[in-house]
Amino acid sequence: EVQLLESGGGLVQPGGSLRLSCAASGFTFSSYAMTWVRQAPGKGLEWVSVIYSGGSSTYYADSVKGRFTISRDNSKNTLYLQMNSLRAEDTAVYYCAKCGYSSSGAGMDVWGQGTTVTVSS
Amino acid sequence: QSALTQPASVSGSPGQSITISCTGTSSDVGGYNYVSWYQQHPGKAPKLMIYDVSNRPSGVSNRFSGSKSGNTASLTISGLQAEDEADYYCSSYTSSSTVLFGGGTKLTVL
Repeated sequence: EVQLLESGGGLVQPGGSLRLSCAASGFTFSSYAMTWVRQAPGKGLEWVSVIYSGGSSTYYADSVKGRFTISRDNSKNTLYLQMNSLRAEDTAVYYCAKCGYSSSGAGMDVWGQGTTVTVSS
Repeated sequence: QSALTQPASVSGSPGQSITISCTGTSSDVGGYNYVSWYQQHPGKAPKLMIYDVSNRPSGVSNRFSGSKSGNTASLTISGLQAEDEADYYCSSYTSSSTVLFGGGTKLTVL
């Protein structure tokens, strides 16, 4: 069964850091681009970042550029999101998703269940 | 990076057809055939319904179809069913190699 399982969410103070993980199973992880998408409470989906299959190409939304870093370990079938300098507006459910291509963020065909990040003092 | 434009809400009666639009620019929707549509029920993760403008993943009902004209993509749901009531989001690959989502459309089945 194709599956994505996020972890690492929690409560963090403004200015703090958090690292999210996403464990993949049931497909050839190293062959696909992977993304992070977030959803603030009561709001719509917001694309955060993508990393291509080999890990050398990464792209970010302007709202997180310079603060968040996406990475992957293809030997461990795991995707990461390092989040620094967190702000209240980063509060959201964070989803990892598998893309349908190796080098494009298009067509997210498998989604995790999400992990909640709350930034508050 | 402005969000793609979708209507906030649409509604239809069971059996009817509805169409949700998604308007972008030549740098995203109009420039690439990488438009996707997602369905999200409350408290659940999004589900891919259409990819690459008009392709349905395996297991998605053929009542769902997608198209594109210029900078506007559309999702049509025919033969509306109660279970179709959900939020729908479009997304597009962009010229910056990023992805944009639409603001989302709440579909109500009357």
